[in-house]
Amino acid sequence: QKEVEQDPGPLSVPEGAIVSLNCTYSNSAFQYFMWYRQYSRKGPELLMYTYSSGNKEDGRFTAQVDKSSKYISLFIRDSQPSDSATYLCAMTPGYALNFGKGTSLLVTP
Amino acid sequence: DGGITQSPKYLFRKEGQNVTLSCEQNLNHDAMYWYRQDPGQGLRLIYYSQIVNDFQKGDIAEGYSVSREKKESFPLTVTSAQKNPTAFYLCASSTSGQGSGYTFGSGTRLTVV
Repeated sequence: QKEVEQDPGPLSVPEGAIVSLNCTYSNSAFQYFMWYRQYSRKGPELLMYTYSSGNKEDGRFTAQVDKSSKYISLFIRDSQPSDSATYLCAMTPGYALNFGKGTSLLVTP
Repeated sequence: DGGITQSPKYLFRKEGQNVTLSCEQNLNHDAMYWYRQDPGQGLRLIYYSQIVNDFQKGDIAEGYSVSREKKESFPLTVTSAQKNPTAFYLCASSTSGQGSGYTFGSGTRLTVV
């Protein structure tokens, strides 16, 4: 079993929809959790960062971490066509990040 | 502007040749990383370095080599021993603190012809 599991999609939603992206993990030592957004043929960019359990909100984006269930989520409200990208979850106990495979999201006008 | 520069953006290599990918950062980050990205595989760690003149193997280090002679630079050599080198290679850096987020370069797409 991979340490980080993420459904690759693709996920297609209409503009304005609420998007839910999720990852599960198996290593209970993970305590730093991140979401990256990657546009085609570009390097990933850090979107959200969360330490331990809880919620974090930044504009249209909300990250949730449930360590008891080993489950993290990213919610995107009022999705826009510019949100179309691959979203990667990442986590670490300390240093080198472990990435999910990424979920491909398409927001249609 | 601070950031990470990877070069070249596209690289073509003949089978049996070694090739070196460049990665330079001016963020004053202590740690640097190399990942390989393949369709359906996600990002896989090749090598990482937390300080100058020291580096550790990641999950898929076979067929690759690195050096860290300067804080700003972390070049990756893809050797002829790497059996399937065609991929998108990403370099990243971070501060030395635990749980630091990465800053990524724009990547190098290597194709073996």
